[in-house]
Amino acid sequence: DIVLTQTPLSSPVTLGQPASISCRSSQSLVHSDGNTYLSWLQQRPGQPPRLLMYRISNRFSGVPDRFSGSGAGTDFTLKISRVEAEDVGVYYCMQATQFPRTFGQGTKVEIK
Amino acid sequence: EVQMLESGGDLVQPGGSLRLSCAASGFTFATYAMSWVRQSPGKGLEWVSSITYSGETTYYADSVKGRFTISRDNSKDTLFLQMNSLRAEDTAVYYCAKDLPTAGTTDYWGQGTPVTVSS
Repeated sequence: DIVLTQTPLSSPVTLGQPASISCRSSQSLVHSDGNTYLSWLQQRPGQPPRLLMYRISNRFSGVPDRFSGSGAGTDFTLKISRVEAEDVGVYYCMQATQFPRTFGQGTKVEIK
Repeated sequence: EVQMLESGGDLVQPGGSLRLSCAASGFTFATYAMSWVRQSPGKGLEWVSSITYSGETTYYADSVKGRFTISRDNSKDTLFLQMNSLRAEDTAVYYCAKDLPTAGTTDYWGQGTPVTVSS
């Protein structure tokens, strides 16, 4: 199974400041069709997960442009350009290049 | 508006069975693959199973293979998860999620239904 390792596991951030989360895969996430099926989800407290980014850098409908995704191969990053109070929650990377789909452990973003 | 409403979660004894349902609305259910994902108390997300739009192909996590069965009724816009031989480690909130085509991920999630396996 593909293992996704996120760092940091906790990220205290000042409002208005940037935040960055890394997701490293145990093997390349490039599919045989040429696509890289790495996505990012946000889970606010008490809520189900919500899709933020898919195929590394595509922002899902309604997601603010302060969120961006980058990376390739085995190393990926989610960035929040200016953290707002509503961004508090746990962020997960997920791969679907290969079954079983796997998730990172989650990174908790909180306000300092 | 896309909505998924899970039901069927309950307290069950080890070795018991449960059938979860997920009623979908707001999209053409029969044209989308669907998935179940679970989250143990205070833990992260774990993919459980996926099914293609037609129901022809199914996929399972090793942890549930042989015990859980995913299925769908496209005439009723409903997804199911039959869970047999339940174990304490199956205790979790089970989410139904709609797949985003060609994106390799899920774009809409239900609120989840809790399953507790305990004697």
